[in-house]
Amino acid sequence: EIMLTQAPGTLFLSPGERAILSCRASETVSSNYLAWYQQKPGQAPRLLIYAASSRARGVPDRFSGSGSGTDFTLTISRLEPEDSAVYHCQQRYTFGQGTNLEIK
Amino acid sequence: QVQLVQSGAEVRKPGASVNISCKASGYNFINYYMHWVRQAPGQGLEWMGLIFPSGANTNYAQKFLGRLTMTRDTSTSTVYMQLSGLRSEDTALYFCVSSGIDYKLDLWGQGTPVTVSS
Repeated sequence: EIMLTQAPGTLFLSPGERAILSCRASETVSSNYLAWYQQKPGQAPRLLIYAASSRARGVPDRFSGSGSGTDFTLTISRLEPEDSAVYHCQQRYTFGQGTNLEIK
Repeated sequence: QVQLVQSGAEVRKPGASVNISCKASGYNFINYYMHWVRQAPGQGLEWMGLIFPSGANTNYAQKFLGRLTMTRDTSTSTVYMQLSGLRSEDTALYFCVSSGIDYKLDLWGQGTPVTVSS
């Protein structure tokens, strides 16, 4: 069973900075199935990135995904206060444990 | 309007079963996977399984085998998730989520809270 490990667990940044979130798989996975989601308190997750690097409809270009094999990254440039959320990576049947991003 | 609407909150005692519905509208429900994903309080997301409405094929996560049943009613574009033998650890928010064969979870229901308590 593939496991996804996200790092860091919590990230504190300021508006305008860049966030780099990591998702590491326990074995090589297909980039076609690697996705990232944003979840704000009390809401369902929202798809941000699919196939490792493709932005979902309506997602600002400040959000970008990259990686292959076992290492994947979500980069959020020019952080805005509304980017505060938990970010989850997913590979088919498996989710990472999430990264909590706080913007102050 | 493309959406998934789930049934309301449930409270059950340990050992009981719960049945949650998820009604799809605004798209061709038959041709997309419907997943169930749950989230325990303060925890991450956990994939439970999926059903392909066209043929009613299912695929359940190993940990739920024997307790989880997914069905669908194509006449009402509704899928159902039944979880039996409930325990306190099953207390969570349960989401239905639609995807294509790429497992891109791009349409989420609003979530159904399930509380298991004696």
